[in-house]
Amino acid sequence: DAGVTQSPTHLIKTRGQQVTLRCSPKSGHDTVSWYQQALGQGPQFIFQYYEEEERQRGNFPDRFSGHQFPNYSSELNVNALLLGDSALYLCASSALGSGGYNEQFFGPGTRLTVL
Amino acid sequence: GDSVTQMEGPVTLSEEAFLTINCTYTATGYPSLFWYVQYPGEGLQLLLKATKADDKGSNKGFEATYRKETTSFHLEKGSVQVSDSAVYFCALSESGGSNYKLTFGKGTLLTVNP
Repeated sequence: DAGVTQSPTHLIKTRGQQVTLRCSPKSGHDTVSWYQQALGQGPQFIFQYYEEEERQRGNFPDRFSGHQFPNYSSELNVNALLLGDSALYLCASSALGSGGYNEQFFGPGTRLTVL
Repeated sequence: GDSVTQMEGPVTLSEEAFLTINCTYTATGYPSLFWYVQYPGEGLQLLLKATKADDKGSNKGFEATYRKETTSFHLEKGSVQVSDSAVYFCALSESGGSNYKLTFGKGTLLTVNP
């Protein structure tokens, strides 16, 4: 059973460009959350998707947007990249639909470098 | 808003030493508390959790007790191994379950020498 997968592993962009990161949740999971982890810091919550809708959002500007597809996979889009967007972007999946306590499983992340 | 403060690192120990990593939190309600571990080049893995006051989470020899009176969730292990070297994150979930956002501390780097 594959866990959470993310692509690409690494990405280098220049300021002002746009980037799309992808996440496939663990089998059986229907909820995807995205986090930004700057170097030496803890992950910061960006947003969460369930049933193809943004369910909850953290304190990130509108340049950060997302999408969830019918197969539960998700994309994170960042427009007008800034140097400060350089970070490890983590995707986590969980099974909201089954109710009760559900652990969030994290992927290995995508390392984004903005030059 | 909710926040997590954990002990600054790095922490360097010899094998078989006792480990404590302090974690305190601020939350408006009654959050669930977690410790996650991040090994080099890997994603976060849930190490242990506690969902209500006085609960003790435990896994792989690590333990942490949810102390509501001191708003703390300190991580302990009686005898660390080289394989425990990693970054440890304390986190809380404001809505009492892991389906809602996780608020993390800054992480503590642990290095265990043979």
